[in-house]
Amino acid sequence: GESVGLHLPTLSVQEGDNSIINCAYSNSASDYFIWYKQESGKGPQFIIDIRSNMDKRQGQRVTVLLNKTVKHLSLQIAATQPGDSAVYFCAENFDSGGSYIPTFGRGTSLIVHP
Amino acid sequence: DTEVTQTPKHLVMGMTNKKSLKCEQHMGHRAMYWYKQKAKKPPELMFVYSYEKLSINESVPSRFSPECPNSSLLNLHLHALQPEDSALYLCASSPAGTGNEKLFFGSGTQLSVL
Repeated sequence: GESVGLHLPTLSVQEGDNSIINCAYSNSASDYFIWYKQESGKGPQFIIDIRSNMDKRQGQRVTVLLNKTVKHLSLQIAATQPGDSAVYFCAENFDSGGSYIPTFGRGTSLIVHP
Repeated sequence: DTEVTQTPKHLVMGMTNKKSLKCEQHMGHRAMYWYKQKAKKPPELMFVYSYEKLSINESVPSRFSPECPNSSLLNLHLHALQPEDSALYLCASSPAGTGNEKLFFGSGTQLSVL
């Protein structure tokens, strides 16, 4: 299940389950959204992106859904594997006077149990 | 070469020291970024260089001084830091320099200020 509190939200799943990680973004003017995966001791790595003129995009085992009405983004991971264990961040890009500001959301720790 | 390389990987410094963090990419990317990340928190944007010019400074204290000697290199000069500046410092790059694109991250420099 998922727990949200003062610390990093955590999602625990069994290997083979589907995982859904949610993100609320802050700026209604944001027009580009990215999901990153960060493993321990590494920098964030790109997983999948979506622009604001779309509401769904699929990759290999991953799907991103965008709901602009409620400013919500989700990442679905199919058939979750132990190697998917990491912290997942959504990021939004918005135009601030001609410069784009890439801003990260709070993050969710995904733990996959074999 | 599809990597962003950061050196050193770890750094311990006193509050009166001067040190520099280095970042290098050879992907021909035109924008480079510095982020600061505390444990269990999302990366926070500090600086953006686009086409070797500083385009964004997120109100970072002057004890952090960025430098972009050429399109492949990014430095962060540190002077008179405080213990609360201890964090993981991440460098990133992006291809077109517009900012509205995915970022490629290095593995970071873990900085401890004593």
